[in-house]
Amino acid sequence: ETGVTQTPRHLVMGMTNKKSLKCEQHLGHNAMYWYKQSAKKPLELMFVYSLEERVENNSVPSRFSPECPNSSHLFLHLHTLQPEDSALYLCASSLGSYNEQFFGPGTRLTVL
Amino acid sequence: KQEVTQIPAALSVPEGENLVLNCSFTDSAIYNLQWFRQDPGKGLTSLLLIQSSQREQTSGRLNASLDKSSGRSTLYIAASQPGDSATYLCAVNPGGSNYKLTFGKGTLLTVNP
Repeated sequence: ETGVTQTPRHLVMGMTNKKSLKCEQHLGHNAMYWYKQSAKKPLELMFVYSLEERVENNSVPSRFSPECPNSSHLFLHLHTLQPEDSALYLCASSLGSYNEQFFGPGTRLTVL
Repeated sequence: KQEVTQIPAALSVPEGENLVLNCSFTDSAIYNLQWFRQDPGKGLTSLLLIQSSQREQTSGRLNASLDKSSGRSTLYIAASQPGDSATYLCAVNPGGSNYKLTFGKGTLLTVNP
């Protein structure tokens, strides 16, 4: 595997379910990001981890809970989501804050 | 608060045409600017990163320019091909301890054969 991978690629869940999104980077980077992309809106940064420590939390509702167990893996735990949370969730990584961000293919989430 | 605007929102051109996509930003205190390509329902592919000290960067048929003082960047695509059809996004990076890229809404490019 190379680059940034995300699983699952598609997820349909009910409002009472609990699920997790997974991201893995194989680039030796030390920063990882979660973004949300909704229709007709710019990408929104949700969370940033640098050296496994959360450095940015962009006023995201508590029903989204990130976890970064090491510099290669990032999770987004989901519970009691709302239909308006349906979107494409993108993971990215970079070497520090100054360098290019590389993105994964995304998870298309649908909340029923 | 940094705001990024991309014009036009959509562009349709015949194959072979040269074209320019525009990106403007309100705060010139940026460290770099990145251009991405996004195919429908897919992730972002980094095309070019241009540092604030640079005027332009080139990769193949793509050329990105940056005028930091006026808050503008352009992405020039030469000899466009149907495979170039995608949404093109620009994002500005403030650098330092601030990891937040600010994105524009993108330009949807369609190249017709």
